[in-house]
Amino acid sequence: GQNIDQPTEMTATEGAIVQINCTYQTSGFNGLFWYQQHAGEAPTFLSYNVLDGLEEKGRFSSFLSRSKGYSYLLLKELQMKDSASYLCASGSGGYNKLIFGAGTRLAVHP
Amino acid sequence: ETGVTQTPRHLVMGMTNKKSLKCEQHLGHNAMYWYKQSAKKPLELMFVYNFKEQTENNSVPSRFSPECPNSSHLFLHLHTLQPEDSALYLCASSQDVGSEAFFGQGTRLTVV
Repeated sequence: GQNIDQPTEMTATEGAIVQINCTYQTSGFNGLFWYQQHAGEAPTFLSYNVLDGLEEKGRFSSFLSRSKGYSYLLLKELQMKDSASYLCASGSGGYNKLIFGAGTRLAVHP
Repeated sequence: ETGVTQTPRHLVMGMTNKKSLKCEQHLGHNAMYWYKQSAKKPLELMFVYNFKEQTENNSVPSRFSPECPNSSHLFLHLHTLQPEDSALYLCASSQDVGSEAFFGQGTRLTVV
């Protein structure tokens, strides 16, 4: 079956580092995506991992271990504007079919 | 100009109404998707179109009927919906496998 698990909520302090974990079980896996979604807005793409290891992009980094079915999104130097939901999605099969997790709602406080 | 545009942004309809949601992408992508986002639930894939051909129907009830006249436009025709169909309906497009999907702003649908 298809299953994506991530924590429902997290809180963190401005300027700190936070790691959001995601585990997945999907057939025809072709990559792991992270999206950010602010309340009332469309999801926006953050990162894509298809090979094991760490991908760094500015303050955000994403890690993938295919053998463990595990990924994490690392956010550094947190800012208030980073308060949002972070969606983990597994690419499955062809045509970039995405299976989404329920999202992790991150609250950044001063 | 946003890459993926959806209209209307908000829609309230009765259970006997017929309405359509529209999506247009200006990115030259080949694949387009409809997703449903309900409160506290994961985004659910509904339909996938690739080069105007439907390649996925994720067990969606027939009261939802998609139409893709060309690679840039996607419609979702709604007929005799139920209150539990109230949700945010998101359209997305992507170039191909391994590239990210770009989402529209969504249509907030309320069925009364």
